[in-house]
Amino acid sequence: DAKTTQPNSMESNEEEPVHLPCNHSTISGTDYIHWYRQLPSQGPEYVIHGLTSNVNNRMASLAIAEDRKSSTLILHRATLRDAAVYYCILRANNNAGNMLTFGGGTRLMVKP
Amino acid sequence: KAGVTQTPRYLIKTRGQQVTLSCSPISGHRSVSWYQQTPGQGLQFLFEYFSETQRNKGNFPGRFSGRQFSNSRSEMNVSTLELGDSALYLCASSRLGGREAVRNIQYFGAGTRLSVL
Repeated sequence: DAKTTQPNSMESNEEEPVHLPCNHSTISGTDYIHWYRQLPSQGPEYVIHGLTSNVNNRMASLAIAEDRKSSTLILHRATLRDAAVYYCILRANNNAGNMLTFGGGTRLMVKP
Repeated sequence: KAGVTQTPRYLIKTRGQQVTLSCSPISGHRSVSWYQQTPGQGLQFLFEYFSETQRNKGNFPGRFSGRQFSNSRSEMNVSTLELGDSALYLCASSRLGGREAVRNIQYFGAGTRLSVL
């Protein structure tokens, strides 16, 4: 499976935008980019996913580079509740079903 | 709609014992996956069941097993517990499986925290 690289940690101020980067230089043409986050003492939760085009939903935006070798999760206004570990995951378009391969993720700290 | 329910939330066992964890997926979801989370190894995939069949398996010893029932509820079992099995065990459910799963959202439960003494 193609791997992802994320910074171990990032800090942000409350109510400011946050850009969480993810490098995936060995991504294949049919791999989807998924983001999950894990809040303290909870299971991971889905944030957003995309293939080639930028995506927006109520939680975040996903910006995908033109060559697809990197992507950025954008939280438009960070709140204290956004403090979590964010995981960037590539999902291959094969018969691998629902197996998610988690890396170390980025621990986001939000300062009031 | 009720979320993914895992029981029990906490469990304490001793080495050599066995344990069974339960997961009730979201209604209508046919896929259930299990993960182990430890501080050292992070989140690791154990196995996935779809329509009562194991579809994928991670790199864990045979002491870890699971099954899925006709109502999609799933159980995982760990036999001959070792200290290193202490972890948070997470269950995730999804509506789709196979190739279609690549665009699928997985919904995770809060987990069962297992402590092996």
